[in-house]
Amino acid sequence: DTEVTQTPKHLVMGMTNKKSLKCEQHMGHRAMYWYKQKAKKPPELMFVYSYEKLSINESVPSRFSPECPNSSLLNLHLHALQPEDSALYLCASSRWLASEQYFGPGTRLTVT
Amino acid sequence: AQKVTQAQTEISVVEKEDVTLDCVYETRDTTYYLFWYKQPPSGELVFLIRRNSFDEQNEISGRYSWNFQKSTSSFNFTITASQVVDSAVYFCALSDSLNTDKLIFGTGTRLQVFP
Repeated sequence: DTEVTQTPKHLVMGMTNKKSLKCEQHMGHRAMYWYKQKAKKPPELMFVYSYEKLSINESVPSRFSPECPNSSLLNLHLHALQPEDSALYLCASSRWLASEQYFGPGTRLTVT
Repeated sequence: AQKVTQAQTEISVVEKEDVTLDCVYETRDTTYYLFWYKQPPSGELVFLIRRNSFDEQNEISGRYSWNFQKSTSSFNFTITASQVVDSAVYFCALSDSLNTDKLIFGTGTRLQVFP
């Protein structure tokens, strides 16, 4: 099973809202990732967790706050977003760093 | 610096044609990994292949084949007898020992297969 699940599939939020994106994998993978993808662009890495510890933060604004409660779950907390944050947010996991990443279906976020 | 170039922005073919997607990479590292991902209109990136820098054997999986040539820093992907379901954006990506936790993506090639 190479499934990564993400909820919700779609999210519309105002600039003053607080919401969370959720990602789950049950493959025993030790690395998990958040990416942001704008239309017609490749995914951009936001955060990497390795063994439940944040190992990379690609200078992401503090209005995005990641959390890894356990080895299977990854959350992305959103607060005071801007319209330019509207994008597809993809979660991925891999057995270890440098192995292939398996992606979830993404959450399509619209900030109004 | 690491870089992946996919010079073909968009390719259109008719079903049953063969099509090759080009990927050229740059890295100073001797240990690196190359990947191909498919992103259909639904949005999910689907892993297709991972190849390490020490394995230059070409790979075939059904209608898909990959040609890895270190001499030209290329890792090209060929779809034989294309089908409408192959329509998607295809990304080539690189990670190396300096960036084991990062995938450096190319800009992607949009493939449209018409019936």
